[in-house]
Amino acid sequence: DAKTTQPTSMDCAEGRAANLPCNHSTISGNEYVYWYRQIHSQGPQYIIHGLKNNETNEMASLIITEDRKSSTLILPHATLRDTAVYYCIVRAFNTNAGKSTFGDGTTLTVKP
Amino acid sequence: EPEVTQTPSHQVTQMGQEVILRCVPISNHLYFYWYRQILGQKVEFLVSFYNNEISEKSEIFDDQFSVERPDGSNFTLKIRSTKLEDSAMYFCASIHGQGANTIYFGEGSWLTVV
Repeated sequence: DAKTTQPTSMDCAEGRAANLPCNHSTISGNEYVYWYRQIHSQGPQYIIHGLKNNETNEMASLIITEDRKSSTLILPHATLRDTAVYYCIVRAFNTNAGKSTFGDGTTLTVKP
Repeated sequence: EPEVTQTPSHQVTQMGQEVILRCVPISNHLYFYWYRQILGQKVEFLVSFYNNEISEKSEIFDDQFSVERPDGSNFTLKIRSTKLEDSAMYFCASIHGQGANTIYFGEGSWLTVV
């Protein structure tokens, strides 16, 4: 798996957009960017994934740079319940995709 | 939304005892995983399981660990003789094996070895 680099922590005001960056400069052509989050030692929760196009779902948006060496997860209107550790994982789209390497992630704290 | 369920949510066991953690993956999923997370540390891959056999395992998954899918629905992790350092949250996960290959995790089983 390609290595990812994320800031250790970030703060965001409630109701504002949270923008979480991730660097993955060694990403290969067949590797996707996945984002997960973990709320207080619960099981990691899938948020979104993408290959090269920007993606949006009901939880978040994912912006991937044209060279695919970095991406940004956007939570458009952060709430207190979005306080969590956010993991950016780069992984090939293959059948053993469940074997993923979790880094330290970014601890996002949403403040009132 | 379908979910991965795990039991027990919390277990306390004495050092040297055997522990079995149980998981029911999502019903049409084909690949199953165990991860663990020691308090304050990263989520670590333990083992992957497909077609009734281990497909990959990490260095953590030594002879004290075993996995089984005994009846087509449950997926179990057994620790034969627990050590203090086995205290951790154990997460079961599954993926469909086709399409998005999104990993779905259970809520975890918190194991405390005393």
